[in-house]
Amino acid sequence: DTEVTQTPKHLVMGMTNKKSLKCEQHMGHRAMYWYKQKAKKPPELMFVYSYEKLSINESVPSRFSPECPNSSLLNLHLHALQPEDSALYLCASSLKGALSGANVLTFGAGSRLTVL
Amino acid sequence: AQKITQTQPGMFVQEKEAVTLDCTYDTSDQSYGLFWYKQPSSGEMIFLIYQGSYDEQNATEGRYSLNFQKARKSANLVISASQLGDSAMYFCAMRSRNSGYSTLTFGKGTMLLVSP
Repeated sequence: DTEVTQTPKHLVMGMTNKKSLKCEQHMGHRAMYWYKQKAKKPPELMFVYSYEKLSINESVPSRFSPECPNSSLLNLHLHALQPEDSALYLCASSLKGALSGANVLTFGAGSRLTVL
Repeated sequence: AQKITQTQPGMFVQEKEAVTLDCTYDTSDQSYGLFWYKQPSSGEMIFLIYQGSYDEQNATEGRYSLNFQKARKSANLVISASQLGDSAMYFCAMRSRNSGYSTLTFGKGTMLLVSP
């Protein structure tokens, strides 16, 4: 299994809703990432989990709350979002989190979020 | 700070021809990694090729090769024998040192369109 699976593929939510994005991998990777990508822009790092521990938070607003229940799962809980948070949210994983060699990030297909 | 520059917002190529996508970078690190990812309209980021700063040979993966010129700080992607399915956004990325963890910083991307 060489995939990162993200659900849902599309999500529409109001500003008062609470929803979650889910990411799963079964490659034995120990680092997992959330990236946010606005239209026609490159992905921007939000969070990094390494060995199920939050290692990097790129000053993301608290209305985004990551969770890593185990080494295969990564969630992104969403609450009280703004329309400008509409974007493609990409999950990725890598064998290790620390700097080493190629350490290729494997990405999922993304969850396209629209906030009304 | 590390920086990736892709100066070509869009490129056009005819099927079966070769195309070069430009990427220059700036870093003060001695050890670094450069990556190319492809993003079709579906959204998934697909890893294409990796070049380490100490690799003496240019990386190749099938129809993809990386023209690495360390002194000029460039890492151009060459796609030989273009196919219609190569139409996508292409991102150059550098492995960044972030609090001791390995993350990717992306360039702005180049949209490649392959015509019949």
